[in-house]
Amino acid sequence: EAQVTQNPRYLITVTGKKLTVTCSQNMNHEYMSWYRQDPGLGLRQIYYSMNVEVTDKGDVPEGYKVSRKEKRNFPLILESPSPNQTSLYFCASSFRGSNEQFFGPGTRLTVL
Amino acid sequence: LAKTTQPISMDSYEGQEVNITCSHNNIATNDYITWYQQFPSQGPRFIIQGYKTKVTNEVASLFIPADRKSSTLSLPRVSLSDTAVYYCLVGETGFQKLVFGTGTRLLVSP
Repeated sequence: EAQVTQNPRYLITVTGKKLTVTCSQNMNHEYMSWYRQDPGLGLRQIYYSMNVEVTDKGDVPEGYKVSRKEKRNFPLILESPSPNQTSLYFCASSFRGSNEQFFGPGTRLTVL
Repeated sequence: LAKTTQPISMDSYEGQEVNITCSHNNIATNDYITWYQQFPSQGPRFIIQGYKTKVTNEVASLFIPADRKSSTLSLPRVSLSDTAVYYCLVGETGFQKLVFGTGTRLLVSP
């Protein structure tokens, strides 16, 4: 089944404890992206990647890191999480040149 | 990316046709119009995309007037399961930065 998977789906952590949210797609998509969704603010793009080893900042990259060592994986790294990073995070992927992005199920992160 | 304006919310009843209009006055020549649907606690799902005139698929229709400064997503005979948030996005095909905004919250009642 073609899909985007994220892990974990739910995470409660404490300020300053490094964490990684994994994202994987099995559709051979070149493009991958991370978004966060907060009430009243809609979805905002954090980082995106047009292909392996190519990443770029979205609208809200502060406090996040990403890497794209393999085509199928695009992990989101929070080196030192803070409470303002409490949010619902979505990973998405698509073929380059397409506006049809496929989204993962989401990761609900709480930073205490 | 062109800014879009949509109604914050809409209400409808089962079986009715729902039209959600999006305004994008600053749309550029190379921009396409794309609509996504999002259910609570799920990721957005692509519905339809168009450049001009009318596009129809099994889920919805998209109407775009000649000046392309607005577009209307039409959902025929909605059901309770169409209750969701609908986002209008405008940008070039394959644009890297998808700006979702806050969308239109559609509530379908029995």
